[in-house]
Amino acid sequence: DGGITQSPKYLFRKEGQNVTLSCEQNLNHDAMYWYRQDPGQGLRLIYYSQIVNDFQKGDIAEGYSVSREKKESFPLTVTSAQKNPTAFYLCASSWGGTYNEQFFGPGTRLTVL
Amino acid sequence: SQQGEEDPQALSIQEGENATMNCSYKTSINNLQWYRQNSGRGLVHLILIRSNEREKHSGRLRVTLDTSKKSSSLLITASRAADTASYFCATDDYGNNRLAFGKGNQVVVIP
Repeated sequence: DGGITQSPKYLFRKEGQNVTLSCEQNLNHDAMYWYRQDPGQGLRLIYYSQIVNDFQKGDIAEGYSVSREKKESFPLTVTSAQKNPTAFYLCASSWGGTYNEQFFGPGTRLTVL
Repeated sequence: SQQGEEDPQALSIQEGENATMNCSYKTSINNLQWYRQNSGRGLVHLILIRSNEREKHSGRLRVTLDTSKKSSSLLITASRAADTASYFCATDDYGNNRLAFGKGNQVVVIP
């Protein structure tokens, strides 16, 4: 059953803690993306990766870090430097480039207590 | 980077009616995509229209693109309650292999 998965679905974090969000895909896609969604603000790109061991900052990379050690995995770490991390986080993958549709995971809702 | 902007942002219609939403963008594009998001879920791709296309159909969806006005519209015909969702347009950020998403249109279809 091919697709893109994110875990956990809900995540609670205390202020000052780092937390890692998981994103896995078995679609053999080259490109993977992390977006943040806040109410009324649409999707904003955090980081994206076109190939393994390479990634680029998006529009709001500050306070976040990623790695791309395997083609199927693109974990996102929300660090304590991110001042307002409470949001809905969406991971996506595609064949790369912008002529291909992006396939989205179900999202992780992060709440900072 | 450019960003699609949908208009209007919220639409409430009766089942069976048509729903139209618009998207404008600022710079030249290669293509424009529309996505749907059900509440609390990930986005689902609906349709892609290339810059040299003016209209495209997919089932009950009709997308138009006017590159001279830098705008696109998404029409959902004969709406159903299951069409209740948010709809986003996304434009390619030329040369950067990424998409720029608009803020979304929330559509509520009343049974």
